[in-house]
Amino acid sequence: EPEVTQTPSHQVTQMGQEVILRCVPISNHLYFYWYRQILGQKVEFLVSFYNNEISEKSEIFDDQFSVERPDGSNFTLKIRSTKLEDSAMYFCASTTEDIGNSPLHFGNGTRLTVT
Amino acid sequence: AQKITQTQPGMFVQEKEAVTLDCTYDTSDPSYGLFWYKQPSSGEMIFLIYQGSYDQQNATEGRYSLNFQKARKSANLVISASQLGDSAMYFCAMRVFTGNQFYFGTGTSLTVIP
Repeated sequence: EPEVTQTPSHQVTQMGQEVILRCVPISNHLYFYWYRQILGQKVEFLVSFYNNEISEKSEIFDDQFSVERPDGSNFTLKIRSTKLEDSAMYFCASTTEDIGNSPLHFGNGTRLTVT
Repeated sequence: AQKITQTQPGMFVQEKEAVTLDCTYDTSDPSYGLFWYKQPSSGEMIFLIYQGSYDQQNATEGRYSLNFQKARKSANLVISASQLGDSAMYFCAMRVFTGNQFYFGTGTSLTVIP
């Protein structure tokens, strides 16, 4: 069964550094998402992406965050200048355009630790 | 506004017993889908079961069933014959058909006791 793939699985970075989290969504999916989850807490929506542009973003997704789909397969989340509070698990997810019973398919996440 | 509420932060169940995890939702959109996900301690999010707002019958997938009560706006997950491997966090989510946004509840931590 096709999977959403995320790399790296774990990233440690120093405060103020830029990080890029990478995702390869399922190939026939058209909607892409980034969520984050601070340890043991709720799943928080960051941004959704459709037709090569952001379709919706949350208040968490400020100017420090950006997303790109550079080559038609990868979907990246960049944090320009990381803060301690950016430490979390970041999930990429994708789904089809079939607004029916298509669930979100999640990657296994990237655990970001900012020191 | 769309909202998903899970009021049980933690639940315990004896192995082989059934357990119900509660989920209520709020939306004015007549067309929506409801989903349950399992998140074990390893962290991945695993899709379990789906219920559409127009589905006449409750969804079932193996030991998972969804008790859908549309008038009460509830979509409770029932796990039958609990196993130790069912110990995990469970999230309820909703997708309304007028958009592409998924809304998540705060989750319920289930512990299966041997």
